Amino acid sequence: DAKTTQPPSMDCAEGRAANLPCNHSTISGNEYVYWYRQIHSQGPQYIIHGLKNNETNEMASLIITEDRKSSTLILPHATLRDTAVYYCIVTRQYHTGTASKLTFGTGTRLQVTL
Amino acid sequence: NAGVTQTPKFQVLKTGQSMTLQCAQDMNHEYMSWYRQDPGMGLRLIHYSVGAGITDQGEVPNGYNVSRSTTEDFPLRLLSAAPSQTSVYFCASSFRGQGQPQHFGDGTRLSIL
Repeated sequence: DAKTTQPPSMDCAEGRAANLPCNHSTISGNEYVYWYRQIHSQGPQYIIHGLKNNETNEMASLIITEDRKSSTLILPHATLRDTAVYYCIVTRQYHTGTASKLTFGTGTRLQVTL
Repeated sequence: NAGVTQTPKFQVLKTGQSMTLQCAQDMNHEYMSWYRQDPGMGLRLIHYSVGAGITDQGEVPNGYNVSRSTTEDFPLRLLSAAPSQTSVYFCASSFRGQGQPQHFGDGTRLSIL
């Protein structure tokens, strides 16, 4: 699986957009980009994923560059509840028809402040 | 719809004891997996299953056994607990296929003395 690089920590003011970058320069054509977050010591929470196109859901937007070597997770209006560790994961299936294999790094610790 | 349920939430064991961490999901997911998370680190995959009767090893399988007799349950067994297995254990499940998000339980915090 492709390796990802994320900044260890970021700060964001409440109400502002939080833009979390991820570099995945060795990504293959069949590998997806997933974002999860972990709030305090809870289980990881799925945020969004994409292959080539930009994606948006009720939680966030995912912007993937045209060469797919990097991506940005955007939380449009960060709140204190968004303070968490955010993981960018590039993955493919173990075998055809099975699920995606998630390899977690150390992520980006986002601190949202007043 | 409870999602992924892990029991117990906390457990303290002595070295050499055995125990089973329970994981159950009610979403009819084919895929289930176990991770461990040590302080300051990301999650590491222990074992996974792509369906009932099918299991395989992940990144750190030594010292752990799994079985999958039903779609709903995927227990993780520690055969002879060691202090190095002190960790937080997470279970996850998803539908099969690429692009399926995985749903995680709230974890079991295990201490081995």
